[in-house]
Amino acid sequence: DAKTTQPPSMDCAEGRAANLPCNHSTISGNEYVYWYRQIHSQGPQYIIHGLKNNETNEMASLIITEDRKSSTLILPHATLRDTAVYYCIPLESNYQLIWGAGTKLIIKP
Amino acid sequence: DAGVTQSPTHLIKTRGQQVTLRCSPISGHKSVSWYQQVLGQGPQFIFQYYEKEERGRGNFPDRFSARQFPNYSSELNVNALLLGDSALYLCASSLTGINTEAFFGQGTRLTVV
Repeated sequence: DAKTTQPPSMDCAEGRAANLPCNHSTISGNEYVYWYRQIHSQGPQYIIHGLKNNETNEMASLIITEDRKSSTLILPHATLRDTAVYYCIPLESNYQLIWGAGTKLIIKP
Repeated sequence: DAGVTQSPTHLIKTRGQQVTLRCSPISGHKSVSWYQQVLGQGPQFIFQYYEKEERGRGNFPDRFSARQFPNYSSELNVNALLLGDSALYLCASSLTGINTEAFFGQGTRLTVV
């Protein structure tokens, strides 16, 4: 399984775009990149996932570099409710989510 | 629609005791996974079940066991509890468990004293 590197913490002003980076330089060709977040004292919540192409849904956008060694999760208009720990997780077909320490994102008013 | 439900929400046990945690997946989901989350760390994978068969197991001792029932609900059992087993235990359900999003319950907070 690929190992990921994420900054331990980030701040973002409310209403601005939050860009969360993730390095996964050892990712294999079959591994999707999943993003989850965990708001304090709650279970993790799925955000988005992708393989090669950029993806967008109602929550966020996922930009994956062409060499697939890194990706960026974009929350276009961050709100206070987006304060959480964000996890970037490469997932191969063996279906086990292997979680790192994640990035603690703090949205400031 | 009900999400993933876990019971109990909180539990206090004594060292050496046994505990059973329960999980009901989202209706129609056939895969259930269990995770242990120690304070300040990301979740650690324990088990995954699909169609009542164990599909994967993380690096946990044999004191940890689980099963999935015909209605796809699941139980996680931990024997001979240690202080280090104190954690948030999370259950996640998904349609198939392969390349699909997982939906998590709120977890069971287990404290071993």
